[in-house]
Amino acid sequence: KAGVTQTPRYLIKTRGQQVTLSCSPISGHRSVSWYQQTPGQGLQFLFEYFSETQRNKGNFPGRFSGRQFSNSRSEMNVSTLELGDSALYLCASSLERSAMNTEAFFGQGTRLTVV
Amino acid sequence: GENVGLHLPTLSVQEGDNSIINCAYSNSASDYFIWYKQESGKGPQFIIDIRSNMDKRQGQRVTVLLNKTVKHLSLQIAATQPGDSAVYFCAENIIGGADGLTFGKGTHLIIQP
Repeated sequence: KAGVTQTPRYLIKTRGQQVTLSCSPISGHRSVSWYQQTPGQGLQFLFEYFSETQRNKGNFPGRFSGRQFSNSRSEMNVSTLELGDSALYLCASSLERSAMNTEAFFGQGTRLTVV
Repeated sequence: GENVGLHLPTLSVQEGDNSIINCAYSNSASDYFIWYKQESGKGPQFIIDIRSNMDKRQGQRVTVLLNKTVKHLSLQIAATQPGDSAVYFCAENIIGGADGLTFGKGTHLIIQP
């Protein structure tokens, strides 16, 4: 069974640009959550998608957005990039919503560097 | 690695010894707890979970203990091996899941040969 796949693995962008990251969950999983990991703040929850709808959202500005497609694949978008957006962005896949206390599996992440 | 710059507690143990990693969680309403292991350059890997109606759960070489009275979680790794070297995170899930998983800051486990 294939794991969670995130693309691209590495990305370098310039301040002010926008970026789109992709996550393919484990087959059959319907929930995709996104997290940001930085040295200063650790792992922080961005948002969760289930059945193509955003269910939960963390404390991030509106520049961070996402969507989920009918095949459960998800994308997240960051607009008007800032230096502080440099981070490892992780996607987690689970069978049900996180509210159902279900096991979450992480991808390897996308390392975004903003210069 | 991803955690350079973040002052992580470090636990150094001899290969073959048992390791105990501790975590204090924040929300008394949390009812689901997970331990993750993250090796350099990789995403967090699920190790073991426990629900709030349990005090202890065992896996292969790992045991998680939950003390709800003092909001404390621990991960015990038996007979540590070099491959156990990683950063270990505890995570809690709040009833209703409004905020997704809330992660602790992590502990860097170093295995001495």
